[in-house]
Amino acid sequence: EADIYQTPRYLVIGTGKKITLECSQTMGHDKMYWYQQDPGMELHLIHYSYGVNSTEKGDLSSESTVSRIRTEHFPLTLESARPSHTSQYLCASSERGLNTEAFFGQGTRLTVV
Amino acid sequence: EDQVTQSPEALRLQEGESSSLNCSYTVSGLRGLFWYRQDPGKGPEFLFTLYSAGEEKEKERLKATLTKKESFLHITAPKPEDSATYLCAVQAVGGDGGYNKLIFGAGTRLAVHP
Repeated sequence: EADIYQTPRYLVIGTGKKITLECSQTMGHDKMYWYQQDPGMELHLIHYSYGVNSTEKGDLSSESTVSRIRTEHFPLTLESARPSHTSQYLCASSERGLNTEAFFGQGTRLTVV
Repeated sequence: EDQVTQSPEALRLQEGESSSLNCSYTVSGLRGLFWYRQDPGKGPEFLFTLYSAGEEKEKERLKATLTKKESFLHITAPKPEDSATYLCAVQAVGGDGGYNKLIFGAGTRLAVHP
């Protein structure tokens, strides 16, 4: 079983609040990713990182931001949550290299009311 | 445009009734094709990686195959515990030349009934 953890698993929060979704992995992976998934829909990449101090935006535009200060930690922050941010957020990591599989956390189900 | 299409969207099987799920793709510079299983409310669980046409991988009742344009996930004599959404993803060379994009299909929701 992959050692990648996300907290919280579920979060209901009011509009305008600042939130941070946590993601940690103990596998020493260089690459980390954040995906957004709506029910029954594809996963869409919103952020990724090659390593410490590296962050890039993914294919799906997102108002969230990320940071990578430590290899094992890749938090995602929303400065001002809105109902349109309601979704499932999935964190993943993979080894350095071209063709390595990604391992996923259990996800955070975010509901903004 | 890079694209991954999975079919059918949903599949209902009786226990023991074998079937196949399809993943067709159009990408430039395929690096690899991945199959994942996703249970409701959970993150995807890695199953297989396929790199080249003709390659096959097996795990218990599941067998994945790859051609130049599509991949199949064959399920032999499924059991109710095989019920899940099965996701296909392809890894292609990214636009910046460095990042290898992982493009997911929408998945096939499999329900196996006793």
